Amino acid sequence: DAGITQSPRYKITETGRQVTLMCHQTWSHSYMFWYRQDLGHGLRLIYYSAAADITDKGEVPDGYVVSRSKTENFPLTLESATRSQTSVYFCASSESEVGYTFGSGTRLTVV
Amino acid sequence: RKEVEQDPGPFNVPEGATVAFNCTYSNSASQSFFWYRQDCRKEPKLLMSVYSSGNEDGRFTAQLNRASQYISLLIRDSKLSDSATYLCAVNPGGGSYIPTFGRGTSLIVHP
Repeated sequence: DAGITQSPRYKITETGRQVTLMCHQTWSHSYMFWYRQDLGHGLRLIYYSAAADITDKGEVPDGYVVSRSKTENFPLTLESATRSQTSVYFCASSESEVGYTFGSGTRLTVV
Repeated sequence: RKEVEQDPGPFNVPEGATVAFNCTYSNSASQSFFWYRQDCRKEPKLLMSVYSSGNEDGRFTAQLNRASQYISLLIRDSKLSDSATYLCAVNPGGGSYIPTFGRGTSLIVHP
């Protein structure tokens, strides 16, 4: 099915562990994004990518790593998870100035 | 001044009421504008784009006021199912597809 999918939907991990959140889109959109959403902060951009092999930092990139070897995939890695990274993570994609399509989110809890 | 500001609400209205939200933005060069709807614990979904000439989709009307730098969303004949958080998003223009999101306005429609 066409769309944007995130996995896993829920994840509990321990402080210090490496965690990778997956994002896959089937539209071949050029742009892909990672946001985190926390109460009191709204959506905050972590990283974005304008095309394969092109990534750039957003507002809150520290502690995160991304890659985009293929247009359709944009994984987000927490290198050493901290409790402050407990959040809901949304991936999104777009092709032009017609607005985003978001994935259904990953709820990450770091204990 | 924050780049994009919204009244967090909640706006508590009875079914059938008309309700309007505003979203102010600080970058006068902003080029494109959007409204998203986000249900509790779900991803934001694009509701409508906001054009200079205004945009209407059924009970929903979005308008842009460049002089005062705000966009608005009007919902007529509110339904219980309209209860959600409404996020505005503003693209800075200049070829950037990286919008800034407001923190959202919560709407509760009650019987």
